[in-house]
Amino acid sequence: DGGITQSPKYLFRKEGQNVTLSCEQNLNHDAMYWYRQDPGQGLRLIYYSQIVNDFQKGDIAEGYSVSREKKESFPLTVTSAQKNPTAFYLCASSIWDSPYNEQFFGPGTRLTVL
Amino acid sequence: KNEVEQSPQNLTAQEGEFITINCSYSVGISALHWLQQHPGGGIVSLFMLSSGKKKHGRLIATINIQEKHSSLHITASHPRDSAVYICAVRSSRGDKLIFGTGTRLQVFP
Repeated sequence: DGGITQSPKYLFRKEGQNVTLSCEQNLNHDAMYWYRQDPGQGLRLIYYSQIVNDFQKGDIAEGYSVSREKKESFPLTVTSAQKNPTAFYLCASSIWDSPYNEQFFGPGTRLTVL
Repeated sequence: KNEVEQSPQNLTAQEGEFITINCSYSVGISALHWLQQHPGGGIVSLFMLSSGKKKHGRLIATINIQEKHSSLHITASHPRDSAVYICAVRSSRGDKLIFGTGTRLQVFP
């Protein structure tokens, strides 16, 4: 089955620790995205990548880092510099980065920093 | 003020009712998307519109570009339609999607 997987579904970390969220897709999509969802707010773009070995900052990139070494994988690291990391994180992909292309979303990872 | 506003924020309905969710936006757009988020968190794309109207099963989406407004209609609603419905627009600048805060729909038997 083609799709996007995110792991783990729930993640708990102590304050001050870096944590990496996994996102893998087997849809052969060029573009991948990371969003953050907080209660009462719309999804906000953290980082996106249009092609392997290239990525751009979104609206709220501070305190996060990404890599795109393989087409299938776009891991997100939440660093200790992120002031309020507790949130629901969603990864998405699309054929390429176009207004008319549907984005396919993963199931999400809920990160709680204690 | 958010660039994408949805109404209502919360909606309850009895099974079988006709549902309308509204989305207004303040930017020039190239496309508008309707998404469905289930209680577990997963998001599914329902429609992408750049003009007119689209229908899929019991779901109908319309857009009026001049009025900067879109509606999502659900006919003969069912408890399995209970979810958060999210409107998102791709601005004419084309760099990213701008999301509304969502409409939480609960359909009771």
